Amino acid sequence: DQQVKQNSPSLSVQEGRISILNCDYTNSMFDYFLWYKKYPAEGPTFLISISSIKDKNEDGRFTVFLNKSAKHLSLHIVPSQPGDSAVYFCAASLTGNQFYFGTGTSLTVIP
Amino acid sequence: NAGVTQTPKFRILKIGQSMTLQCTQDMNHNYMYWYRQDPGMGLKLIYYSVGAGITDKGEVPNGYNVSRSTTEDFPLRLELAAPSQTSVYFCASSPGTGFSYEQYFGPGTRLTVT
Repeated sequence: DQQVKQNSPSLSVQEGRISILNCDYTNSMFDYFLWYKKYPAEGPTFLISISSIKDKNEDGRFTVFLNKSAKHLSLHIVPSQPGDSAVYFCAASLTGNQFYFGTGTSLTVIP
Repeated sequence: NAGVTQTPKFRILKIGQSMTLQCTQDMNHNYMYWYRQDPGMGLKLIYYSVGAGITDKGEVPNGYNVSRSTTEDFPLRLELAAPSQTSVYFCASSPGTGFSYEQYFGPGTRLTVT
């Protein structure tokens, strides 16, 4: 029973353009959301987070949007760079103890 | 700082064998976690700990055991290994509630059970 879903397994974007990665969740009680980036043969690295009291959080080229009524969050990367090519995971938490991860979206940024 | 270190990097086990995956963090984080990632899937939480002496089950705890005797170490024990435990295992740590939910991950242990 997947509580966090990333329905696009892969995404290709031209360098300089915007990358939009999407994530849906089923539990309306989730109160904290994170995005991680993962390169092959490495552990995930934290990218950006948002709590349920906000609808937007920005950090440089990365912006996360949260739509609580739709149970949807998205990660925008502008402008996309070849070094952004990686697998991106979204994760959600109810208590800050347990985290539920999506299945990941593989982003390829084409030079 | 080394961050989160995991040993071994790779291991092949025969069915029924047991082993311990080691995890150490040097960031003085209270929270530590063990996840497994199967091919094409997200990370699933096996066990977590909110401090030394305290552990709790995650989504997929069956077939595993943990202990947390110190802040730094959080070993994961596999008893009677089964092919279904073939996976990549990640350990992570976090400052914990009230500080930040951001998790710092180790490089992973790739385990094959045949």
